Amino acid sequence: QKEVEQNSGPLSVPEGAIASLNCTYSDRGSQSFFWYRQYSGKSPELIMFIYSNGDKEDGRFTAQLNKASQYVSLLIRDSQPSDSATYLCAVIEGAQKLVFGQGTRLTINP
Amino acid sequence: GAVVSQHPSWVICKSGTSVKIECRSLDFQATTMFWYRQFPKQSLMLMATSNEGSKATYEQGVEKDKFLINHASLTLSTLTVTSAHPEDSSFYICRATGPTDLANEKLFFGSGTQLSVL
Repeated sequence: QKEVEQNSGPLSVPEGAIASLNCTYSDRGSQSFFWYRQYSGKSPELIMFIYSNGDKEDGRFTAQLNKASQYVSLLIRDSQPSDSATYLCAVIEGAQKLVFGQGTRLTINP
Repeated sequence: GAVVSQHPSWVICKSGTSVKIECRSLDFQATTMFWYRQFPKQSLMLMATSNEGSKATYEQGVEKDKFLINHASLTLSTLTVTSAHPEDSSFYICRATGPTDLANEKLFFGSGTQLSVL
């Protein structure tokens, strides 16, 4: 199984600031990348997906992909307390099989 | 959007009993079902992959005789934890994918089942 690495945190960010979450992956052939948010005791929910190098923006969220350096990041602008959660980076391996990183716990401080 | 219904949401059982978890795709055909397990403060670990009508493929280290997976129809897959022990206590989540013409981003998770074995 290929590896997906994340800093487990916790990452603390003041409300209104930018939260930056990073992820690296080992399989250079990976093509599809996902960021999920998971609240405690709940199932993951998809935040962003990205396939191409560069930035992809959706509201307060921006995903950044750099295939040459094998990293993908997620920026959350204007962070809100409701953004406090664990953020999981995931990579598609094979036929639709998702491999997850260990997750980064994010806390937004009011 | 497509919905995957997972039941029960949580279950408490005695050691040695068996527990069945169901995942149903409500408005699409789930050709493939992935079953994950998540221990507290850890990430989701894939246990097995099942395709409708076929035997499940288990990840290394997952006992196929302990975690029985059935995917007999395109709308229902079940995971049975047989002779459960306290170390099996975990959060179990299913994820369904449909035919290949559905985009990869449509990767639907069930709501999860918290299993506590006493």
